[in-house]
Amino acid sequence: ILNVEQSPQSLHVQEGDSTNFTCSFPSSNFYALHWYRWETAKSPEALFVMTLNGDEKKKGRISATLNTKEGYSYLYIKGSQPEDSATYLCALYNNNDMRFGAGTRLTVKP
Amino acid sequence: EADIYQTPRYLVIGTGKKITLECSQTMGHDKMYWYQQDPGMELHLIHYSYGVNSTEKGDLSSESTVSRIRTEHFPLTLESARPSHTSQYLCASSEWLLGANVLTFGAGSRLTVL
Repeated sequence: ILNVEQSPQSLHVQEGDSTNFTCSFPSSNFYALHWYRWETAKSPEALFVMTLNGDEKKKGRISATLNTKEGYSYLYIKGSQPEDSATYLCALYNNNDMRFGAGTRLTVKP
Repeated sequence: EADIYQTPRYLVIGTGKKITLECSQTMGHDKMYWYQQDPGMELHLIHYSYGVNSTEKGDLSSESTVSRIRTEHFPLTLESARPSHTSQYLCASSEWLLGANVLTFGAGSRLTVL
C-alpha cells in the first residue's frame, strides 16, 4: 500500500512570510513524485514532477526538493502572496498507480 | 483555458435519482481517470481507462459505473444516488511528458445527495 502523508494539514501565514511543507512516502520502488496546486473552484494544476533523488525544481517563488532514499519532498514558497493561497497536493507515481496525499491547505493573509 | 471539462459543477439531488457526471477532454489523451474526494481527505481513484472500450475500477470501491465509447468522453453514472455518494468528483486525463505521467484535471463536480 502506498501511503502518502502530507503535513501540516493546514497552514496560515502572513503575506511576505516564507513557508514550507512536507510530503512523505514509502521510499521503496519509487518512480516519480508530483506536486499539484489546487485553488478553490479551479482545477488542480501540475507544479512539479520529480524523478531523481536530489532533484530540485523551481518555478518563480516556489521550489521543491526530493529525497527518495528517506522518502520525503519539501515544497517551499518564498515571500508568500495572497494568490498563493491554495491546497498543495503531492502524489506518488509507482507501477502505473498514482497515489495522492490529503494536501496542505495554505492561507496567506494580506 | 480548460482542456478538460466537467459538468455539472454543482448538483443537489434527491435519493434514488440516476445521475451522470460528464467529462470531456480535447487533448486526445488515451488515459482518463475519475477521483473522489471527501473534505480533508486524499483523492481516491475510483475508475480509470487506458483508451476506448477500456474501463477499470480503482482502489476505492464505488457504486458508480463509467464508459469510454469515444477517446474524448468519459462519463460517470450513479444508477441510484444515496447520501453516502455526497462528495467531490474530479476527472483527469494524462500524457507521458519528460519521463512522467502528468495529469490534467477538470474543475470537479460537487455532488450533494439529500
